[in-house]
Amino acid sequence: DGGITQSPKYLFRKEGQNVTLSCEQNLNHDAMYWYRQDPGQGLRLIYYSQIVNDFQKGDIAEGYSVSREKKESFPLTVTSAQKNPTAFYLCASSKTSGRAVGELFFGEGSRLTVL
Amino acid sequence: GENVEQHPSTLSVQEGDSAVIKCTYSDSASNYFPWYKQELGKRPQLIIDIRSNVGEKKDQRIAVTLNKTAKHFSLHITETQPEDSAVYFCAARMNSNSGYALNFGKGTSLLVTP
Repeated sequence: DGGITQSPKYLFRKEGQNVTLSCEQNLNHDAMYWYRQDPGQGLRLIYYSQIVNDFQKGDIAEGYSVSREKKESFPLTVTSAQKNPTAFYLCASSKTSGRAVGELFFGEGSRLTVL
Repeated sequence: GENVEQHPSTLSVQEGDSAVIKCTYSDSASNYFPWYKQELGKRPQLIIDIRSNVGEKKDQRIAVTLNKTAKHFSLHITETQPEDSAVYFCAARMNSNSGYALNFGKGTSLLVTP
């Protein structure tokens, strides 16, 4: 069953701690993305990666870091430098060629709460 | 970068009525305009999309129209049902410098009352 898996679904963090959110896909998609969702704010792009070993900052990259060592995996680290990290984080992937290019498939999300 | 404005932020209709959500975008080079539906606590899912070489696309009760000259596109839902209640997001593909990333509107919370 193909899809995108995010873990954990819920995560609590103390201030000053880094946390890493996992995102794995078996859709054989080249591109992967991280979005942040806050109430009334829509989805805002944090980072994206079009190919393995390459990634680009989105609109709100400050306080976050990513890696793309494997095609299937695109973990997001929320660092202590992120001033307001409590949010719902969505990972997505897409094709970069062929039919349905650019259509984003989302994971179920990870809800991070900073205590 | 691309800026997508979406209106209204909330919309309440009676079952059976139509609902219309409108979006505008700023980058004239944008060429892909999807609509996503997000039910409470779930992931956004694509319901319909349109590319810049067509002006209208329909799929059963939902349709999307695109006016490239005016840089706006709209979602139309006819014969609404309570299960249509959700948050709807429009999006536009950013320019080629951002690969295939989408820029989203802030969402419209649609409530269909029986």
